[in-house]
Amino acid sequence: ETGVTQSPTHLIKTRGQQVTLRCSSQSGHNTVSWYQQALGQGPQFIFQYYREEENGRGNFPPRFSGLQFPNYSSELNVNALELDDSALYLCARARRDHEQYFGPGTRLTVT
Amino acid sequence: GQNIDQPTEMTATEGAIVQINCTYQTSGFNGLFWYQQHAGEAPTFLSYNVLDGLEEKGRFSSFLSRSKGYSYLLLKELQMKDSASYLCAVRDGDYKLSFGAGTTVTVRA
Repeated sequence: ETGVTQSPTHLIKTRGQQVTLRCSSQSGHNTVSWYQQALGQGPQFIFQYYREEENGRGNFPPRFSGLQFPNYSSELNVNALELDDSALYLCARARRDHEQYFGPGTRLTVT
Repeated sequence: GQNIDQPTEMTATEGAIVQINCTYQTSGFNGLFWYQQHAGEAPTFLSYNVLDGLEEKGRFSSFLSRSKGYSYLLLKELQMKDSASYLCAVRDGDYKLSFGAGTTVTVRA
């Protein structure tokens, strides 16, 4: 049990729509990261938030955006969905110096 | 850019030993991680190396050579439940992880 939860578990959206994914954590470090994992691939870093501000971003377009709240929860927003956005989206929380713990993920399907 | 390579698939027999190699070329290095991921589930943390050498944790061991850009994960006394994908990841900043594509290990009876 990592103490990281994500909602929803599964989601189906249509191309062009917008989606919001949520992540919450019981406690821990102020850093939360989001990753996208396409089928058969390793997770790809989207961005990272520290104390409610984005402080690192991977190679993802601006239509991927996020928020972090004072209670450790976080959101990932994706606008203008494309078919290639279909993936497992993972939220990770840093607990100690080197350990990152992942939530169960949200499986997004774009049709 | 980041380049992390690991074999795509490995098969081994229950009770045997399997070694999963990982080579990396990254712009920075602040630790190497191994994660286990069962199908349809999130990655779970297995091990962490930041200095050269071997880290042992029960049936799992991980080795790092920073000068060679090389790591391996050693799984001993394989069990059926060890069938999973094993992900090698390099931390190149405070928390950002760059992952390899993963190695699918199949354990056969």
